Amino acid sequence: GAVVSQHPSRVICKSGTSVKIECRSLDFQATTMFWYRQFPKQSLMLMATSNEGSKATYEQGVEKDKFLINHASLTLSTLTVTSAHPEDSSFYICSAVGTGARSQPQHFGDGTRLSIL
Amino acid sequence: DAKTTQPPSMDCAEGRAANLPCNHSTISGNEYVYWYRQIHSQGPQYIIHGLKNNETNEMASLIITEDRKSSTLILPHATLRDTAVYYCIVSPYSNSGYALNFGKGTSLLVTP
Repeated sequence: GAVVSQHPSRVICKSGTSVKIECRSLDFQATTMFWYRQFPKQSLMLMATSNEGSKATYEQGVEKDKFLINHASLTLSTLTVTSAHPEDSSFYICSAVGTGARSQPQHFGDGTRLSIL
Repeated sequence: DAKTTQPPSMDCAEGRAANLPCNHSTISGNEYVYWYRQIHSQGPQYIIHGLKNNETNEMASLIITEDRKSSTLILPHATLRDTAVYYCIVSPYSNSGYALNFGKGTSLLVTP
């Protein structure tokens, strides 16, 4: 089945550091990728929608200058958390959907657990 | 997006069928029913989806009522590894650019 790879799986870093998370679709081309965030004991919340070759669309309340998204190819999207602070600690998850059948499902990466000290 | 209603938690004995209900009474004609599950500390895993007809794959069966206002996910022989949070989501077709609206889901506990 479709595979989405997310890297790294876990990051622990100091406050003020910028962290880049990669999301790759391994066996299909993804025109659209989504970035979600999940806090403990809560459900996934959409942060932004990323379309290949264009600027990402951010959800209300998500700072585009803090969460930089690049979707430069049909198989790779990156999320950079700039100048991360402890409140940015969360589980970040990407998903991708292919260019084929309209109803094909989104596939998710295994997430990146970000801990800011 | 149409909203869904799921019971917050359910228990199921190992080896028995797990039947997870979902109410989506405001579903639109162009919206599919998708089921995902999330095992602790992992990304959501796609299970199955359907529009009108019942669907079956190697993981589960999806029963959608004729009026499409509710559905049931069936895990025919639950195992301990099926313990997870199960999300029922209604959405227009995935590659239209619509993100999935995850509600609170049903926490399924499979017991020995």
